[in-house]
Amino acid sequence: DQQVKQNSPSLSVQEGRISILNCDYTNSMFDYFLWYKKYPAEGPTFLISISSIKDKNEDGRFTVFLNKSAKHLSLHIVPSQPGDSAVYFCAASETGANNLFFGTGTRLTVIP
Amino acid sequence: EPEVTQTPSHQVTQMGQEVILRCVPISNHLYFYWYRQILGQKVEFLVSFYNNEISEKSEIFDDQFSVERPDGSNFTLKIRSTKLEDSAMYFCASSIQGIIDSPLHFGNGTRLTVT
Repeated sequence: DQQVKQNSPSLSVQEGRISILNCDYTNSMFDYFLWYKKYPAEGPTFLISISSIKDKNEDGRFTVFLNKSAKHLSLHIVPSQPGDSAVYFCAASETGANNLFFGTGTRLTVIP
Repeated sequence: EPEVTQTPSHQVTQMGQEVILRCVPISNHLYFYWYRQILGQKVEFLVSFYNNEISEKSEIFDDQFSVERPDGSNFTLKIRSTKLEDSAMYFCASSIQGIIDSPLHFGNGTRLTVT
C-alpha cells in the first residue's frame, strides 16, 4: 500500500540554492503531515510538520507547503547547506490514529 | 538532549530463533512505537503502545511479534520465531503525547539479520 509516495529517490543541489522535495498521498483522511531527516546509522529525526488546516508552515530555512486538493506536499530548504545531505522522509497520519505512514524517502545531496 | 536508546545495534540470529530487541524511551514520554525498515524500502509501522497496552498495530505485527514494558524504563519487541524476511532495521520511537500533538523521537535502530 503506497499511501505516501516520494517519486524522486534522489536530488542533488548546489550549496546555497533551494532544495525542493516532493511528496504525494492518496488517503484523503490524512490530516497531519511531517518531514523527517535521516543520516546513515541513525534513526529518523523530526524536522517540521503541518496540519491540514494550514497550507504553509515555516521554521528557519525549512518550509512545508500543503496542497490538499492535489494531495501534495513539499519541503523547501533555502539556502541548502552541505549538512542537509541526508535522506528525507515524508510521513502522514490522521486524527485519532496513532501511527505514521512513511514515504520511501528522497536522498538529498548538497554539493559544496 | 534526551535520546531514545536501542540495544543491540546489530543482532544476528538463525531462522526459527527468538530475538528480543530492547529500547529505552525518553523518560517522560508516554507513547511508544516500533517501526522497521527493510533494506531499500520505506519505514513501516509495526505497533504503538500506551498505558501498558497496544493501542494500534499493523498487519505486519502478527502473532510472532509481541511488545512489553517490563519496568518503568524498558520497552521491548520480541519476535518469537524469526524468518528470513524479518531481516530489517528496527526502530523504536517515543513521544510525550500522541502523534498529532508531539513528534516521534526515534532511536538509532537495531539491525536484525536472520540467516
